[in-house]
Parts: sequence; C-alpha cells; structure tokens
Amino acid sequence: SQKIEQNSEALNIQEGKTATLTCNYTNYSPAYLQWYRQDPGRGPVFLLLIRENEKEKRKERLKVTFDTTLKQSLFHITASQPADSATYLCALRNSGYSTLTFGKGTMLLVSP
Amino acid sequence: NAGVTQTPKFRILKIGQSMTLQCTQDMNHNYMYWYRQDPGMGLKLIYYSVGAGITDKGEVPNGYNVSRSTTEDFPLRLELAAPSQTSVYFCASSLLPHGTANTGELFFGEGSRLTVL
Repeated sequence: SQKIEQNSEALNIQEGKTATLTCNYTNYSPAYLQWYRQDPGRGPVFLLLIRENEKEKRKERLKVTFDTTLKQSLFHITASQPADSATYLCALRNSGYSTLTFGKGTMLLVSP
Repeated sequence: NAGVTQTPKFRILKIGQSMTLQCTQDMNHNYMYWYRQDPGMGLKLIYYSVGAGITDKGEVPNGYNVSRSTTEDFPLRLELAAPSQTSVYFCASSLLPHGTANTGELFFGEGSRLTVL
C-alpha cells in the first residue's frame, strides 16, 4: 500500500540549532514533493518544492533534499528560532496524477 | 487579493442535519480542493475540481457532495451529518500542477471547524 511517513513525535530543539525533519514514502513515484508549514488553527502554508530530478533546494534558512533511491526527503531549518515552532507537512504528487497526498506532519518546538 | 475564503469558521450540527461549507478564491486558479484534517491523521482529500463543471472524488468522498459552477466557488455539501464528519475542513486552490513554470503550490483557506453532535 502507499504510505507517506513523518515522525509522529514532536521534535524539540534549542534555538540556534539545525532542525531536521524526515519524510519517507512507499509505493509512490513522485513527480515532486512539497513542504508546508501549519500553525495551530491555521491553514497550511507552502514553503518549498523539490522535483524528482533535483537533489537539493534552498530558500533562506530552509533546505530540502530528495533521495528517490532511499525514497526520502529531509527538511532542514538552520539557525532555528522559536518562531519556527509549528507543524511541518510533506506532500507529494504522484507521477500521472494531479492531486497531492499529505503526510501527517511533524511538530517542531524550538525553545529559547 | 483575499486568497481562499471559507465560511463558516465554526459550526455545530445535529446528527442528520445538512449544511454547505462555502469556499471562494480570487486568484483565478483552475484547481480547487476540499480536505479534512483530523487530529494526528493528516490531510485527507475529499473532492477536487480541475475547472468549472468538472469534479472528481478524492480519498474520502462518502457523505459529501460538491459542485463547481464558476471558477471562483467550490462549495462542499454535507447531506446527513454524522459524528464521523466532525473535523476541520480546508479548502485549497492551485494553478495547473504541471510544468516547470509553477510550483503547483496549494493556497489554503483558514479552515472550517465542524462538530456533529
């Protein structure tokens, strides 16, 4: 069966450290993978997209990697800040399909 | 631009009642979606539309109906509310997901929290 797995346990880190979140998938052939941020009581907000033929993407303090052999994407936030505390969702679009499938998300807590 | 607007933000229904969640977007996006989000369960796709007059089922369509008479509006109808439909509902829109020119990102509304008692 198809699965998208993100760590269900919250990730607690100290301010200034690098946060690394994981997204693993099974039985998908992603055309691309996206990462979203969701704050409590709000809708998800798009952060980054990485395509199947790309290894790495960066945007300011954010970095995403995509390994289609390992079937995994890593999402990094460098120099993390308390304002980065939120739930982060990965989502992928399977090749040949027009809709996104979301993982359950990982909560990130950055303490001062 | 207001983006994606959902109404109502909160609603309590009795079992068996019907209601419509409204969604409108002002970005001229072709694609519109309805997701539900339950605690710890992630976003599940209910229905989506690739343009006016065209709708299709997602992963969890049972108990819901949609219509897309205009580009802007994509209402979600619950005909006979059941406790299992207690959830937070998100409407989203996007440009065509294909091609390298755009990210295919979804723009979400703020959500509609529905409780069925």
